[in-house]
Amino acid sequence: DTAVSQTPKYLVTQMGNDKSIKCEQNLGHDTMYWYKQDSKKFLKIMFSYNNKELIINETVPNRFSPKSPDKAHLNLHINSLELGDSAVYFCASSQAGGPNIQYFGAGTRLSVL
Amino acid sequence: EDQVTQSPEALRLQEGESSSLNCSYTVSGLRGLFWYRQDPGKGPEFLFTLYSAGEEKEKERLKATLTKKESFLHITAPKPEDSATYLCAVGSYGNNRLAFGKGNQVVVIP
Repeated sequence: DTAVSQTPKYLVTQMGNDKSIKCEQNLGHDTMYWYKQDSKKFLKIMFSYNNKELIINETVPNRFSPKSPDKAHLNLHINSLELGDSAVYFCASSQAGGPNIQYFGAGTRLSVL
Repeated sequence: EDQVTQSPEALRLQEGESSSLNCSYTVSGLRGLFWYRQDPGKGPEFLFTLYSAGEEKEKERLKATLTKKESFLHITAPKPEDSATYLCAVGSYGNNRLAFGKGNQVVVIP
């Protein structure tokens, strides 16, 4: 039973399109994260939610909008996709009161053509 | 701002050839240092957390140590299945985020 699951695993789309990535965790954690991993494998935090409240919002284009319908889900919507958005996006979760151990999903590889 | 530097970036080892990976960090107040393993096409997998200088943790052929400025991940008699990228991250007090290094890519040749 996967602890942090994200869908889809692969996403290929054209420039200018809008797409969403979904994430769910069944660990009972209060805090969830979105990371971007570029071609050089560097993991960079984008957003974090604690119990549906946004607590980290890095310098990310406002075309990226996270949504947390409940504390077990954190989705990422991207508008007007650009070539530079191509990367692997990881969702993670942890207990609150961090920084604590973060558990990661398998990643979504986004390719913008 | 918390910072992490990992070296070497890439390492090729013969099976059985022990080595160490370095993670140097600067933080305002260390809450924890985390080691992860990442296999190609997968998400980072948690290995260890170290909280204070002098602390050590072991798991199979891996041993992590911590000083006030750096951490080492020692790989003893590695096997091909130890091939992966090893990520180091730090968290500081009053901060909900982890700052990751760029990783050590390890390849173990049979």
